[in-house]
Amino acid sequence: DTGVSQDPRHKITKRGQNVTFRCDPISEHNRLYWYRQTLGQGPEFLTYFQNEAQLEKSRLLSDRFSAERPKGSFSTLEIQRTEQGDSAMYLCASTPSVTGARETQYFGPGTRLLVL
Amino acid sequence: AQSVSQHNHHVILSEAASLELGCNYSYGGTVNLFWYVQYPGQHLQLLLKYFSGDPLVKGIKGFEAEFIKSKFSFNLRKPSVQWSDTAEYFCAVKTSSASKIIFGSGTRLSIRP
Repeated sequence: DTGVSQDPRHKITKRGQNVTFRCDPISEHNRLYWYRQTLGQGPEFLTYFQNEAQLEKSRLLSDRFSAERPKGSFSTLEIQRTEQGDSAMYLCASTPSVTGARETQYFGPGTRLLVL
Repeated sequence: AQSVSQHNHHVILSEAASLELGCNYSYGGTVNLFWYVQYPGQHLQLLLKYFSGDPLVKGIKGFEAEFIKSKFSFNLRKPSVQWSDTAEYFCAVKTSSASKIIFGSGTRLSIRP
């Protein structure tokens, strides 16, 4: 168990550029979550996948954001036409699907995005 | 909508002092409750969790939390803190009907050596 990994760890971009982040969940975890954390706040839910199916999206996820998990393993989160308000830490978490909803989410180190 | 409130934004204690961090949530149904910790430069780690059963939950590093259903609270405690407990602590709630976790805004704990 090597934990959840995320790449890159840091990203600086100019406003208007597109960025893509990758998350590799813990092996055999079939649920994968994306969260966003801004300074002084706790993580906020963005979206989640059960295998390759995207089952829920937050209203925070504007149409500039898209997430995929094509083979049910790693996931990507793309932000198009970045804005300064997108600057945040983007966190990925994974969990095995457990009946009775007794699941624990394990978090990766995050990708810190700075939009200039 | 469900929410989680952490009363203290920043707590400063001396080593060996006792700790209690408050957490209240708003949701009337069945919940799973968590405390996560984020040490400086590290990622979120699970400290402890409550699903059901004994409302007093013990976690790693001597932490414990008590679920009081009537008060919608899940306060975190440690009888004697150490300098290494300096970190940010997040209370979180997951309802039985949803998959996402709702986090509080966090409490920064600073320990004076």
